Parts: sequence; structure tokens; C-alpha cells
Amino acid sequence: SQQGEEDPQALSIQEGENATMNCSYKTSINNLQWYRQNSGRGLVHLILIRSNEREKHSGRLRVTLDTSKKSSSLLITASRAADTASYFCATDAPSGTYKYIFGTGTRLKVLA
Amino acid sequence: DAEITQSPRHKITETGRQVTLACHQTWNHNNMFWYRQDLGHGLRLIHYSYGVQDTNKGEVSDGYSVSRSNTEDLPLTLESAASSQTSVYFCASRASMGTGELFFGEGSRLTVL
Repeated sequence: SQQGEEDPQALSIQEGENATMNCSYKTSINNLQWYRQNSGRGLVHLILIRSNEREKHSGRLRVTLDTSKKSSSLLITASRAADTASYFCATDAPSGTYKYIFGTGTRLKVLA
Repeated sequence: DAEITQSPRHKITETGRQVTLACHQTWNHNNMFWYRQDLGHGLRLIHYSYGVQDTNKGEVSDGYSVSRSNTEDLPLTLESAASSQTSVYFCASRASMGTGELFFGEGSRLTVL
């Protein structure tokens, strides 16, 4: 079963707007990661947030984590057409198994 | 630069045939993973390995096998391909220490007719 579920499944915005996507998960985690996948390509790591962190920034990306609600959000500010992709959250287990469980993803389309 | 490569990128096969998808990484990572990606399911873990001679079953391992004879390679074998195994397959690796980032290959699209 999927650990992470992203919301919304699809999002369409205008260039320059902010895009927010959410991820909910079911069990305790060590960390949560966000990945990006361009059409027909492999996934690329964007950002990792540890269970003891609440917010993290990387360039135009801002990630928040609420472990009490078992949820995370990814905000992309000032979006560009090149941000068009699918975005996935991935969670690992505290047992340190090195495995990651991926959600079903959010398809983001940024219109120029 | 270090990388992870998959081959073939595209393959069409018939039901019942054996198929092997190759994965080769030059990161020198101990941990390697195979996922399949299907619409509505995201990525699901098939098999994974923590090092040479180590293999473990993931969430959807039935009908698949892997072997790990060296650090660089983790081939995925479909013993008798079924139409339900039509999918895009991704190999990934990660270091045992560090950020925990997964490095993905570009994927292998398999069609079973």
C-alpha cells in the first residue's frame, strides 16, 4: 500500500504563480523527500526534510512537515514553464531500512 | 560523472518469455532498488539489495527476481512475463550514509503482448 498520497492529483497554474502540493503519509518516518519527474524521464531528488524539522528551503522550493498530522507540503514559488512535471513525496521508515515508499504524485502544468 | 544506467530503454515481449532488465551504477552505492511505475499507483517497490549477495522482496515481488553479484549491477528478471507486468521500471541507488537521496535511472518501458 502507498505510504504517501499527494494532493491534488493534477494542478494547472499560470507562470509566475505559486504551486502548492500536499503529501499525507501513514506511519512514523525518519525523513520525507520530494522528487520531480519530467515526462519520460527518471525521478530527480529535490529536497529532504527530517522528522525533527518543520520547514526547509531550497531556492524557490519550500517544504513543510507536520508530523502530528503526518503531512508535508511542497511550495514552488514564482513557477516557470520548466517546472511542468510530476512531483512525488517519498517517506522512509524509522527502522533505517533504506527503503522509500512513494506516493502517487501530483502532475503540475505551468502555462506560459 | 557517476551515473545509473538502465537497458534496454524500451522492450516489447510476448507472454511467457523471460525478460531481464539491466541496471548499472557507478556511484559505488551499496543500496539498490527496483520500482515499477503505473498510472494511479505511483512507484511500487519490487526488490531491493543492501549489498553483494543480498536481495530482499518488496511490495510487488511476485513474478520478479534479482541477483547481486557485484556492487555495480542489479538485474531484474521476469521469469515468465505476463501482461500485468507491462509497466515502466526504474532502478535506483543510494549510499548507506549521507543525505539518503535516491539516484534514479531513466527507466525501462516494458510491453508484454
